[in-house]
Amino acid sequence: GAGVSQSPRYKVAKRGQDVALRCDPISGHVSLFWYQQALGQGPEFLTYFQNEAQLDKSGLPSDRFFAERPEGSVSTLKIQRTQQEDSAVYLCASSLRGANTGELFFGEGSRLTVL
Amino acid sequence: AQSVTQPDIHITVSEGASLELRCNYSYGATPYLFWYVQSPGQGLQLLLKYFSGDTLVQGIKGFEAEFKRSQSSFNLRKPSVHWSDAAEYFCAVGPGYSTLTFGKGTMLLVSP
Repeated sequence: GAGVSQSPRYKVAKRGQDVALRCDPISGHVSLFWYQQALGQGPEFLTYFQNEAQLDKSGLPSDRFFAERPEGSVSTLKIQRTQQEDSAVYLCASSLRGANTGELFFGEGSRLTVL
Repeated sequence: AQSVTQPDIHITVSEGASLELRCNYSYGATPYLFWYVQSPGQGLQLLLKYFSGDTLVQGIKGFEAEFKRSQSSFNLRKPSVHWSDAAEYFCAVGPGYSTLTFGKGTMLLVSP
Protein backbone atom coordinates (compact mmCIF):
# COMPACT_ATOMS: atom_id res chain seq x y z
CA GLY A 1 0.00 0.00 0.00
CA ALA A 2 0.88 3.65 -0.16
CA GLY A 3 1.29 4.09 3.57
CA VAL A 4 1.59 2.23 6.85
CA SER A 5 -1.64 0.42 7.59
CA GLN A 6 -2.75 -0.60 11.06
CA SER A 7 -5.66 -2.75 12.17
CA PRO A 8 -7.93 -2.69 13.96
CA ARG A 9 -8.24 1.08 14.23
CA TYR A 10 -10.25 0.70 17.43
CA LYS A 11 -10.30 -2.15 19.89
CA VAL A 12 -12.23 -2.46 23.14
CA ALA A 13 -11.12 -5.24 25.44
CA LYS A 14 -12.20 -6.40 28.84
CA ARG A 15 -9.51 -6.48 31.46
CA GLY A 16 -7.69 -9.79 31.28
CA GLN A 17 -8.32 -10.40 27.58
CA ASP A 18 -5.52 -10.86 25.06
CA VAL A 19 -5.33 -8.50 22.08
CA ALA A 20 -3.37 -8.50 18.84
CA LEU A 21 -2.64 -5.39 16.81
CA ARG A 22 -1.42 -5.63 13.25
CA CYS A 23 0.89 -3.38 11.25
CA ASP A 24 1.46 -3.48 7.50
CA PRO A 25 4.51 -1.36 6.75
CA ILE A 26 5.26 0.37 3.48
CA SER A 27 6.37 -2.26 1.00
CA GLY A 28 10.13 -2.72 0.98
CA HIS A 29 10.75 -0.93 4.25
CA VAL A 30 13.44 -2.62 6.26
CA SER A 31 12.75 -1.19 9.69
CA LEU A 32 9.56 -1.29 11.74
CA PHE A 33 8.83 0.40 15.04
CA TRP A 34 6.08 0.29 17.63
CA TYR A 35 5.27 3.26 19.84
CA GLN A 36 2.66 3.66 22.60
CA GLN A 37 0.83 6.97 23.01
CA ALA A 38 -1.20 7.35 26.17
CA LEU A 39 -3.86 10.04 26.38
CA GLY A 40 -2.30 13.48 26.63
CA GLN A 41 1.22 12.16 26.18
CA GLY A 42 3.75 11.94 23.42
CA PRO A 43 4.55 8.61 21.79
CA GLU A 44 6.89 6.32 23.72
CA PHE A 45 9.17 3.83 22.01
CA LEU A 46 8.32 0.18 22.54
CA THR A 47 10.32 -1.96 20.15
CA TYR A 48 12.15 -2.04 16.82
CA PHE A 49 12.69 -4.60 14.07
CA GLN A 50 15.16 -4.68 11.24
CA ASN A 51 13.73 -7.17 8.80
CA GLU A 52 12.61 -10.10 11.00
CA ALA A 53 15.11 -9.45 13.78
CA GLN A 54 13.89 -7.67 16.88
CA LEU A 55 16.91 -5.51 17.67
CA ASP A 56 15.54 -3.45 20.51
CA LYS A 57 12.69 -4.25 22.87
CA SER A 58 13.79 -2.05 25.71
CA GLY A 59 10.57 -0.05 25.72
CA LEU A 60 8.15 -2.92 26.21
CA PRO A 61 6.54 -2.15 29.59
CA SER A 62 6.14 -5.72 30.82
CA ASP A 63 6.41 -9.34 29.76
CA ARG A 64 2.72 -9.19 28.82
CA PHE A 65 3.78 -7.30 25.69
CA PHE A 66 5.17 -9.28 22.79
CA ALA A 67 5.93 -8.25 19.21
CA GLU A 68 6.89 -10.28 16.18
CA ARG A 69 7.69 -9.79 12.52
CA PRO A 70 8.30 -13.34 11.33
CA GLU A 71 8.78 -12.70 7.62
CA GLY A 72 10.24 -9.25 7.81
CA SER A 73 7.09 -7.52 6.63
CA VAL A 74 3.84 -7.53 8.64
CA SER A 75 4.22 -7.15 12.39
CA THR A 76 1.91 -8.02 15.25
CA LEU A 77 1.96 -6.50 18.71
CA LYS A 78 0.33 -8.80 21.24
CA ILE A 79 -0.75 -7.80 24.70
CA GLN A 80 -1.67 -10.57 27.09
CA ARG A 81 -4.00 -10.22 30.07
CA THR A 82 -4.73 -6.58 29.29
CA GLN A 83 -4.87 -4.06 32.11
CA GLN A 84 -6.52 -0.64 32.21
CA GLU A 85 -3.14 1.06 32.04
CA ASP A 86 -2.62 -0.54 28.63
CA SER A 87 -5.28 1.79 27.19
CA ALA A 88 -3.49 3.90 24.60
CA VAL A 89 -2.99 4.44 20.90
CA TYR A 90 -0.41 2.05 19.50
CA LEU A 91 1.51 3.56 16.61
CA CYS A 92 3.47 1.64 14.05
CA ALA A 93 6.11 3.25 11.86
CA SER A 94 8.35 1.97 9.12
CA SER A 95 11.55 3.17 7.56
CA LEU A 96 13.20 2.31 4.28
CA ARG A 97 16.63 1.81 5.78
CA GLY A 98 18.19 0.35 8.89
CA ALA A 99 18.17 1.83 12.37
CA ASN A 100 18.58 5.54 12.76
CA THR A 101 19.22 6.21 9.10
CA GLY A 102 15.84 6.75 7.54
CA GLU A 103 12.75 8.84 8.04
CA LEU A 104 9.92 7.22 9.95
CA PHE A 105 6.50 6.96 8.31
CA PHE A 106 3.74 6.48 10.86
CA GLY A 107 0.41 4.72 10.57
CA GLU A 108 -2.78 6.16 11.99
CA GLY A 109 -2.60 3.97 15.05
CA SER A 110 -4.73 1.41 16.83
CA ARG A 111 -6.67 2.81 19.76
CA LEU A 112 -7.01 0.25 22.55
CA THR A 113 -9.48 0.79 25.35
CA VAL A 114 -9.40 -1.66 28.25
CA LEU A 115 -12.51 -1.71 30.41
CA ALA B 1 18.70 10.05 29.98
CA GLN B 2 17.27 12.01 27.10
CA SER B 3 14.15 14.11 27.55
CA VAL B 4 12.06 16.72 25.76
CA THR B 5 10.04 19.50 27.34
CA GLN B 6 7.29 21.33 25.53
CA PRO B 7 6.19 23.90 28.10
CA ASP B 8 2.97 24.93 26.37
CA ILE B 9 0.15 22.40 26.44
CA HIS B 10 -2.17 24.62 24.37
CA ILE B 11 -1.55 27.69 22.24
CA THR B 12 -4.18 29.78 20.46
CA VAL B 13 -3.12 31.94 17.54
CA SER B 14 -5.18 34.11 15.25
CA GLU B 15 -5.18 33.13 11.61
CA GLY B 16 -2.48 35.09 9.81
CA ALA B 17 -0.46 35.73 12.96
CA SER B 18 3.00 34.33 13.58
CA LEU B 19 3.63 31.20 15.61
CA GLU B 20 6.41 29.94 17.83
CA LEU B 21 6.23 26.60 19.64
CA ARG B 22 8.87 25.98 22.26
CA CYS B 23 10.95 22.85 22.71
CA ASN B 24 13.79 22.22 25.15
CA TYR B 25 15.73 18.99 25.18
CA SER B 26 18.23 17.13 27.30
CA TYR B 27 20.64 14.85 25.49
CA GLY B 28 24.16 13.68 26.23
CA ALA B 29 25.58 13.79 22.74
CA THR B 30 24.90 15.67 19.53
CA PRO B 31 21.17 15.31 19.13
CA TYR B 32 19.02 14.56 16.17
CA LEU B 33 15.99 16.84 16.57
CA PHE B 34 12.59 16.60 14.95
CA TRP B 35 9.21 18.26 14.82
CA TYR B 36 6.17 16.15 13.97
CA VAL B 37 2.54 17.18 13.46
CA GLN B 38 -0.46 15.02 14.31
CA SER B 39 -3.92 15.89 13.05
CA PRO B 40 -6.97 14.18 14.57
CA GLY B 41 -7.18 10.58 13.43
CA GLN B 42 -3.98 10.91 11.45
CA GLY B 43 -0.53 9.51 11.85
CA LEU B 44 2.45 11.60 12.81
CA GLN B 45 3.94 13.54 9.92
CA LEU B 46 7.50 14.80 9.89
CA LEU B 47 7.69 18.59 9.52
CA LEU B 48 11.45 19.05 9.71
CA LYS B 49 14.64 17.70 11.21
CA TYR B 50 18.04 18.88 12.35
CA PHE B 51 21.20 16.78 12.36
CA SER B 52 24.05 19.18 11.77
CA GLY B 53 25.08 22.21 9.76
CA ASP B 54 22.94 25.31 9.41
CA THR B 55 21.07 25.80 12.65
CA LEU B 56 18.01 27.23 10.90
CA VAL B 57 16.17 24.44 9.12
CA GLN B 58 13.27 24.70 6.74
CA GLY B 59 10.47 22.20 6.64
CA ILE B 60 7.23 21.49 4.90
CA LYS B 61 4.13 23.68 5.03
CA GLY B 62 6.17 26.84 5.59
CA PHE B 63 7.55 25.82 8.98
CA GLU B 64 11.09 26.44 10.18
CA ALA B 65 13.00 25.71 13.37
CA GLU B 66 16.17 27.02 14.91
CA PHE B 67 18.63 24.88 16.86
CA LYS B 68 20.29 26.74 19.73
CA ARG B 69 22.83 24.53 21.43
CA SER B 70 23.55 27.01 24.23
CA GLN B 71 19.88 27.04 25.20
CA SER B 72 19.19 23.37 24.41
CA SER B 73 16.25 24.56 22.38
CA PHE B 74 14.69 23.75 19.03
CA ASN B 75 11.74 26.09 18.62
CA LEU B 76 9.31 25.78 15.74
CA ARG B 77 8.14 28.90 13.89
CA LYS B 78 5.80 29.92 11.13
CA PRO B 79 5.36 33.53 9.97
CA SER B 80 1.65 33.29 9.13
CA VAL B 81 -0.63 30.59 10.49
CA HIS B 82 -3.45 29.08 8.44
CA TRP B 83 -6.57 27.45 9.88
CA SER B 84 -5.37 24.13 8.48
CA ASP B 85 -2.35 24.28 10.81
CA ALA B 86 -4.56 23.49 13.80
CA ALA B 87 -3.17 20.20 15.13
CA GLU B 88 -0.91 18.79 17.81
CA TYR B 89 2.81 19.33 17.45
CA PHE B 90 5.49 17.09 18.92
CA CYS B 91 9.17 17.78 19.35
CA ALA B 92 11.45 14.74 19.51
CA VAL B 93 15.12 13.93 20.12
CA GLY B 94 17.17 10.85 19.45
CA PRO B 95 20.45 9.29 18.37
CA GLY B 96 19.06 9.15 14.83
CA TYR B 97 15.73 8.80 13.18
CA SER B 98 14.23 5.94 15.06
CA THR B 99 14.35 5.40 18.83
CA LEU B 100 13.01 8.84 19.53
CA THR B 101 11.98 10.49 22.77
CA PHE B 102 8.98 12.72 22.24
CA GLY B 103 7.67 15.65 24.23
CA LYS B 104 4.10 15.69 25.48
CA GLY B 105 2.97 17.86 22.62
CA THR B 106 1.51 21.32 22.10
CA MET B 107 -2.03 21.65 20.81
CA LEU B 108 -2.35 24.54 18.38
CA LEU B 109 -5.73 26.20 18.06
CA VAL B 110 -6.28 28.75 15.29
CA SER B 111 -8.93 31.40 15.79
CA PRO B 112 -10.60 33.22 12.89
